[in-house]
Amino acid sequence: QKEVEQNSGPLSVPEGAIASLNCTYSDQGSQSFFWYRQYSGKSPELIMFIYSNGDKEDGRFTAQLNKASQYVSLLIRDSQPSDSATYLCAVDTGGFKTIFGAGTRLFVKA
Amino acid sequence: SQTIHQWPATLVQPVGSPLSLECTVEGTSNPNLYWYRQAAGRGLQLLFYSVGIGQISSEVPQNLSASRPQDRQFILSSKKLLLSDSGFYLCAWSLGEAMNTEAFFGQGTRLTVV
Repeated sequence: QKEVEQNSGPLSVPEGAIASLNCTYSDQGSQSFFWYRQYSGKSPELIMFIYSNGDKEDGRFTAQLNKASQYVSLLIRDSQPSDSATYLCAVDTGGFKTIFGAGTRLFVKA
Repeated sequence: SQTIHQWPATLVQPVGSPLSLECTVEGTSNPNLYWYRQAAGRGLQLLFYSVGIGQISSEVPQNLSASRPQDRQFILSSKKLLLSDSGFYLCAWSLGEAMNTEAFFGQGTRLTVV
């Protein structure tokens, strides 16, 4: 059973701080990794994807991937109240299937 | 540009009643199509995916079924709903099997079985 694990949270950070979200996966053959943001009652939307070891930056967001440790993370710098949402880690395990974690709820306090 | 339509947005159905949720994609050809379910406070569970007309792969054995009668149409059905079928159902599409295959989601259907 291929799995993607996330801490359910909630993770609470003050406005302007760095929020760090973590994810581990079980399938060593996984090649593509995604972070989706989901506001309450809404559908997920893609924030970032990463497929190479190391860091990938896009504005306030940085995705980090360590395939040896089967670990992927998302850093949100200068967190804003509008960043409050559930963040879903997703792993492309091949064969047209993407497995999602249960998500981490993030609260950014103004 | 590509768009995905999913309806209805909300649905309340009695136990034992049938179900039909429809999803259509515009602006692309031969997309991969997916049905996910999200229970309250839980992650997305992949139910079905399809890589072409009439080709359906089931991930979770249950009383649900899916069909793809046209290239950009994906239907989720049940003959008799159970209480445990309640949840947020999401249709999604993607292209190809290459890396960086982003999935685009519909607005979702919140199903409550009573």
